[in-house]
Amino acid sequence: AQSVAQPEDQVNVAEGNPLTVKCTYSVSGNPYLFWYVQYPNRGLQFLLKYITGDNLVKGSYGFEAEFNKSQTSFHLKKPSALVSDSALYFCAVRDSLSADRGSTLGRLYFGRGTQLTVWP
Amino acid sequence: NAGVTQTPKFQVLKTGQSMTLQCAQDMNHNSMYWYRQDPGMGLRLIYYSASEGTTDKGEVPNGYNVSRLNKREFSLRLESAAPSQTSVYFCASIISGVGTGSYEQYFGPGTRLTVT
Repeated sequence: AQSVAQPEDQVNVAEGNPLTVKCTYSVSGNPYLFWYVQYPNRGLQFLLKYITGDNLVKGSYGFEAEFNKSQTSFHLKKPSALVSDSALYFCAVRDSLSADRGSTLGRLYFGRGTQLTVWP
Repeated sequence: NAGVTQTPKFQVLKTGQSMTLQCAQDMNHNSMYWYRQDPGMGLRLIYYSASEGTTDKGEVPNGYNVSRLNKREFSLRLESAAPSQTSVYFCASIISGVGTGSYEQYFGPGTRLTVT
């Protein structure tokens, strides 16, 4: 069964410091991995994705994520945090096998979310 | 493009009342989804529609029904609202089909529902 774990409910960092939001996954095939961000009272916004290729993927707002197949992880990172990065972050996974068949059994499975707070 | 739109933005219901949440997308996407978001629970899939004319249950379908009215619109109905259905509801859509598995889902702004 597909699943995503975000082991930290909250991450607190000082502005200017690097940040990491952790994500591990479990899928039966090759994973398609996604990060979304949610600002207060808003919907989810897509940040970045890993499908294939380079293990380090770059996304919006200076975020990047590193795919590690052996550790089944896809941690979100940013070299220098901003106060405006404070938000709720969700990791999601989609099974490539069902996704490539075009079935919506390739649905997204979400983690529970990590609240990132960046203080000035 | 407006993307994914949802109405209403806020709603308060009394236990036992019914209502329909509306969702529409203008991106010509095949598949549409309804999620609910509760604190500490992430997003849980209620129902989805692979294509016009098809709907399937997700993780938490009890107490809900859906209608895929056409390719653009996917509505979620609460027939007899219960306090346990107090939540934020999100609609999402995605292109689906062979070779499109790498596409991300697009989300609407959400509907905040309170059932008293």
